[in-house]
Amino acid sequence: EVQLQQSGAELGKPGTSVKLSCKVSGYNIRNTYMHWVNQRPGKGLEWIGRIDPANGNTIYAEKFKSKATLTADTSSNTAYMQLSQLKSDDTAIYFCAVTIAATSHYVMDAWGQGASVTVSS
Amino acid sequence: DIVMTQGALPNPVPSGESASITCQSSKSLLYSDGKTYLNWYLQRPGQSPQLLIYWMSTRASGVSDRFSGSGSGTDFTLKISRVEAEDVGVYYCQQFLEFPLTFGSGTKLEIK
Repeated sequence: EVQLQQSGAELGKPGTSVKLSCKVSGYNIRNTYMHWVNQRPGKGLEWIGRIDPANGNTIYAEKFKSKATLTADTSSNTAYMQLSQLKSDDTAIYFCAVTIAATSHYVMDAWGQGASVTVSS
Repeated sequence: DIVMTQGALPNPVPSGESASITCQSSKSLLYSDGKTYLNWYLQRPGQSPQLLIYWMSTRASGVSDRFSGSGSGTDFTLKISRVEAEDVGVYYCQQFLEFPLTFGSGTKLEIK
């Protein structure tokens, strides 16, 4: 069974950074893309970007290009997202997601449980 | 960016009835390869999203055949037959034709 285990809740002060992790078990992340999606309180889903762990290639939504940095460590089968210059607007739940069975790397059929980030002074 | 617009449901839907959720894209999601680049997800309360349908009409592994997807290049429908209590949640459509990938604002399903 494929599982995506995300790191725990983070509380960050404005202007600082946080780094979230997503460890995959049961599947080699070299064979898929890792996507990150956020959900602000009471709101819908928003795609942040994706990384190809096999070569480190990344694609970001324009609004997150200076906010998020995606990396991956294939030796530990773990992906990371660093959020920088935190603002209150970054308060959200952040999900990682991958493609396991679907026939496109842009169909997210396995998701992490989500990690809460709260920005507050 | 491609804008995804979802319709609302006349909640609550009686258990056992059918429900149809609509989604419209600002650009055709039908590509020259003949595939339509649209997914549907369900987010149950307090849970992560789960994939229901991809390529507009292909059910994901393990998804009940009560769920079906259809549509054209810009207008799409997710039909849920014989709704059950476990279908409660928010349904999202999502396009993956272009970057950035974009989601609809979600459609909430409540059961009576």
